[in-house]
Amino acid sequence: DIQMTQSPSSLSASVGDRVTLTCRASETVDKYLSWFQQKPGRAPNLLIYGISGLHSGVPSRFSASGSGTDFTLTISSLQPEDFATYYCLQSYSLPRTFGQGTKVEIK
Amino acid sequence: QITLKESGPTLVKPTHPLTLTCTFSGFSLNTTGVGVGWIRQPPGKALEWLALIYWNDDKRYSPSLKNRLTISKDTSKNQVVLTLTNMDPEDTATYFCAHQAPWFAELSAAFDIWSQGTTVAVSS
Repeated sequence: DIQMTQSPSSLSASVGDRVTLTCRASETVDKYLSWFQQKPGRAPNLLIYGISGLHSGVPSRFSASGSGTDFTLTISSLQPEDFATYYCLQSYSLPRTFGQGTKVEIK
Repeated sequence: QITLKESGPTLVKPTHPLTLTCTFSGFSLNTTGVGVGWIRQPPGKALEWLALIYWNDDKRYSPSLKNRLTISKDTSKNQVVLTLTNMDPEDTATYFCAHQAPWFAELSAAFDIWSQGTTVAVSS
């Protein structure tokens, strides 16, 4: 199984901050890496697909990059509605595996 | 517009099976490359992938739960059914189904549309 490790597990930031989240795979996942945002009591929402593709309707302050095993999600200017938990997912191989999540909290 | 919605019990007794149905619209499970997956999330914990069924009836399972899981589809009803046998309190979670885009499409096999989730408690 491919293990997905996210860091940090949580972070505190202020509105307007630039925030970078990291996801590392135990082996290559090619381009099959996506990012999700989840708010309490809600289903995850797809933000990014194919490493860096911005899903329809997702604000442009979200961007992502990476290759092979190392990936990042960046929020250029944190907004109040961005406080949530973020997960990465590899869809390169089975079983599908998620990272353990990064919780972005208000400082 | 793709939508998915789960249905099933909210409370299951230990050792009993759980059967959840995902009813979807806006796409066909006859379309090459499309899949429907099940994912769960125990309270306060991370997302856990459970199973996936493809348009061609290929079925894949989480290795840790493989002996307890069955996934099936009824294309005529636009439904995918997940059964998890021998339920335990540790299976208490919110269960989601999700549309998986084809691996060859731009979305690169992402779970792009999710159901709202259904919370299942395991208790006697």
